[in-house]
Amino acid sequence: DAGITQSPRHKVTETGTPVTLRCHQTENHRYMYWYRQDPGHGLRLIHYSYGVKDTDKGEVSDGYSVSRSKTEDFLLTLESATSSQTSVYFCAISEGAGQQFFGPGTRLTVL
Amino acid sequence: AQSVTQPDIHITVSEGASLELRCNYSYGATPYLFWYVQSPGQGLQLLLKYFSGDTLVQGIKGFEAEFKRSQSSFNLRKPSVHWSDAAEYFCAVGGTSYGKLTFGQGTILTVHP
Repeated sequence: DAGITQSPRHKVTETGTPVTLRCHQTENHRYMYWYRQDPGHGLRLIHYSYGVKDTDKGEVSDGYSVSRSKTEDFLLTLESATSSQTSVYFCAISEGAGQQFFGPGTRLTVL
Repeated sequence: AQSVTQPDIHITVSEGASLELRCNYSYGATPYLFWYVQSPGQGLQLLLKYFSGDTLVQGIKGFEAEFKRSQSSFNLRKPSVHWSDAAEYFCAVGGTSYGKLTFGQGTILTVHP
C-alpha cells in the first residue's frame, strides 16, 4: 500500500470553528489531492497540488483552503466550518496522468 | 468538461451470478479510465485501469472491463461474484491535466448468499 496517512481520522467540531486536516505521504509523489465523499455524489475534488506551494481549485473549493509547504504534507483548512461540510475527506497522491492512491479518510462532523 | 455517469445506484446479485456495472463518460480527448472499489469504512482501492491498447483490461479479484469508444462506456464485469465483492464501486475518468480524476456517483453492490 502507498504510504499515505491522514490525521485526524475522526473529528467532531462546531459550526464556525476552524479545522485543519493533514495528509502525509512517504512516496515523494508530485501530485496531491483532497476530495470529499458524500452519498450520491461520489468523490468530488476540492483542491489539488502539483508541487510545493503550487495549488489550484477543484470543483467544490468554496469554503476550503490548502497549503503545501513540503512535498510530503498537504493541509486542508476549513476557515469557518459549516454543517454542509460534514463529510468524509480523502487525500490522494499520484505521479501525474495515472493511478491515484488514496488515504484512509477523515470523517468530519460539524454540529 | 469531463463527467462520469454510473446509471445504477444499487445492484443486488446472488453469489455465483455474473455481474456487470455500467459506466459512461464524457471526455474531450483520449480518456484514462479507472474502476475503484471501496469497502465500508475504507479508502479506495484500484481494481483496474485503461490507458491505451487492448480495450479489454484485466484487473484484480477477477474483474475485467471493456473500453468502447463508440459508446463512451467502460463497463466492469465479473463472471462469478463472491460475497466478499459486496462494496461500492466507482468509475473515474482523467487525462494528462495534473492527473485530475472525475468520479461517478458510485454503485453499491449487495451480494445475496
